[in-house]
Amino acid sequence: GAGVSQSPSNKVTEKGKDVELRCDPISGHTALYWYRQSLGQGLEFLIYFQGNSAPDKSGLPSDRFSAERTGGSVSTLTIQRTQQEDSAVYLCASSLDVSSYEQYFGPGTRLTVT
Amino acid sequence: KQEVTQIPAALSVPEGENLVLNCSFTDSAIYNLQWFRQDPGKGLTSLLLIQSSQREQTSGRLNASLDKSSGRSTLYIAASQPGDSATYLCAVPSGNTGKLIFGQGTTLQVKP
Repeated sequence: GAGVSQSPSNKVTEKGKDVELRCDPISGHTALYWYRQSLGQGLEFLIYFQGNSAPDKSGLPSDRFSAERTGGSVSTLTIQRTQQEDSAVYLCASSLDVSSYEQYFGPGTRLTVT
Repeated sequence: KQEVTQIPAALSVPEGENLVLNCSFTDSAIYNLQWFRQDPGKGLTSLLLIQSSQREQTSGRLNASLDKSSGRSTLYIAASQPGDSATYLCAVPSGNTGKLIFGQGTTLQVKP
């Protein structure tokens, strides 16, 4: 079956612009996670969804970051007024449910802010 | 606060060697531990998931063990091949949220 997909695969944007990153989880997976991977910081958690609700937004770095999930499926991560420090690979993962289940990752979106 | 550490940061071995990658975590109250592989410029591929009630899991040439009481996990790779060259990451969920806390990874190079 299809895995987790993300789009775009690469995004170059100018400082100050807004960007939207998309994640399509595996069908039937109720939990969806966003992580960020940057040089020197490793992989860090941003936000997760259980269905359409986001119980934990603690990892969002600032109020310029927001995410939503509709229909219990597709999720978008929006970064407003991008800064150079936002440059990173943004990874999405999904699992059947939270807690005990294996997470499956998408290929990521590489964001470069110039 | 859960912290995950992986040692060594990098490892280079000749083809055919058996090797062990180490992962340690500070809070032993975990639900599971997951090992991933990441190839350059790619996403993460799940290798093995060990539930907290298990002591080990095997998949092909890979064997992962878990010792919750000591806060350690090891990933054993038998008869290494050049295709095993990648970065290996371990991760544990924070509480029961599924939010993963990752180690910094071990970058493995297997030389032909």
